[in-house]
Amino acid sequence: AQSVAQPEDQVNVAEGNPLTVKCTYSVSGNPYLFWYVQYPNRGLQFLLKYITGDNLVKGSYGFEAEFNKSQTSFHLKKPSALVSDSALYFCGGGTDKLIFGTGTRLQVFP
Amino acid sequence: GAVVSQHPSRVICKSGTSVKIECRSLDFQATTMFWYRQFPKQSLMLMATSNEGSKATYEQGVEKDKFLINHASLTLSTLTVTSAHPEDSSFYICSAPGQRYEQYFGPGTRLTVT
Repeated sequence: AQSVAQPEDQVNVAEGNPLTVKCTYSVSGNPYLFWYVQYPNRGLQFLLKYITGDNLVKGSYGFEAEFNKSQTSFHLKKPSALVSDSALYFCGGGTDKLIFGTGTRLQVFP
Repeated sequence: GAVVSQHPSRVICKSGTSVKIECRSLDFQATTMFWYRQFPKQSLMLMATSNEGSKATYEQGVEKDKFLINHASLTLSTLTVTSAHPEDSSFYICSAPGQRYEQYFGPGTRLTVT
């Protein structure tokens, strides 16, 4: 069975500091991994994906994620957080259908 | 980019009634669409896969007679919550697959059952 886990319900970071939102996965075969962001009462917006190739994936709004096969992780990162990055972040995995983690609320304080 | 719409954005209904939620792909065709339910504590649960011209595929634990899905055309899928109860109150989100394995999500529908 395929699963994605986000171990942190909430991450707090000061504006200007680097941020990391964690994700681990358990899939058979080659993992297809994604990060989406959700703003209040809105649908999910695509940030980035890993299908194959370079382990460091760059996405929208300055976000990036590193695929680590040995640790089965796909953590989302940003070098310098903005208050406007405060939102709900979902890690997902799959090809024909997406299975999501439980989500991590990112709170960036001014 | 591709756009997926949902209607209505919010709906309030009385217990025992049925509610229909529409999901449309506006500028592309989707033979498959997905329905998710988001619970108050954030988690996003895949309910079912809607297949154009055939029966929907439901995830384990989702009542197919409770959540009726119809995918009548290449741009429209509907989710009907039948005999709604307060515990069905939730945020329902649909998505459609795009190119390169990305999913395009609708803005969601907030259902409140009183």
